[in-house]
Amino acid sequence: EPEVTQTPSHQVTQMGQEVILRCVPISNHLYFYWYRQILGQKVEFLVSFYNNEISEKSEIFDDQFSVERPDGSNFTLKIRSTKLEDSAMYFCASRAVIEAFFGQGTRLTVV
Amino acid sequence: QQQVKQSPQSLIVQKGGISIINCAYENTAFDYFPWYQQFPGKGPALLIAIRPDVSEKKEGRFTISFNKSAKQFSLHIMDSQPGDSATYFCAARVSGSARQLTFGSGTQLTVLP
Repeated sequence: EPEVTQTPSHQVTQMGQEVILRCVPISNHLYFYWYRQILGQKVEFLVSFYNNEISEKSEIFDDQFSVERPDGSNFTLKIRSTKLEDSAMYFCASRAVIEAFFGQGTRLTVV
Repeated sequence: QQQVKQSPQSLIVQKGGISIINCAYENTAFDYFPWYQQFPGKGPALLIAIRPDVSEKKEGRFTISFNKSAKQFSLHIMDSQPGDSATYFCAARVSGSARQLTFGSGTQLTVLP
């Protein structure tokens, strides 16, 4: 069964450093998303990406965040200068028409 | 108006019992309502979903009940099993292009053996 894969599973970084979270969406999907989940809290939308551009973004997705689909298969989330409050699980999701499928997530710990 | 309110926050049920989780929304433009199941350390996995043109959808032991006039929907897990112990999230989405999911706050379900 096709699945969304994310790497790394866990990333520890120092405050102020740049991190890149990687995702390989399901191959025939058209819509791509990043969500985050702070420990014990609900899943929050960050950004959606369609047709090689950002469709929507939440107020969480400020200038420190960027997304790219550099090669037609990978979908990346970059955080330019990490803050302690960026510590969370980051989930990539993709969908073809209706159903959104989520990856296993990357746990980002900012120290 | 974009919020989806979910209750209860936690739920403990005996094996074989019925688990009921409720969600309410305000945005009448929402027209797709999925439920996701999440185990610790894993991503949310789609469990069952409904559109507002039907009042109920059943898949195995899982049923969604939908009340459009009240703007409420609920998940019923029949014959609950210890393996159902997980966090359940309701969600909602406005149709059209790349629209994102808005999640409820989650319900931690524990099914006692």
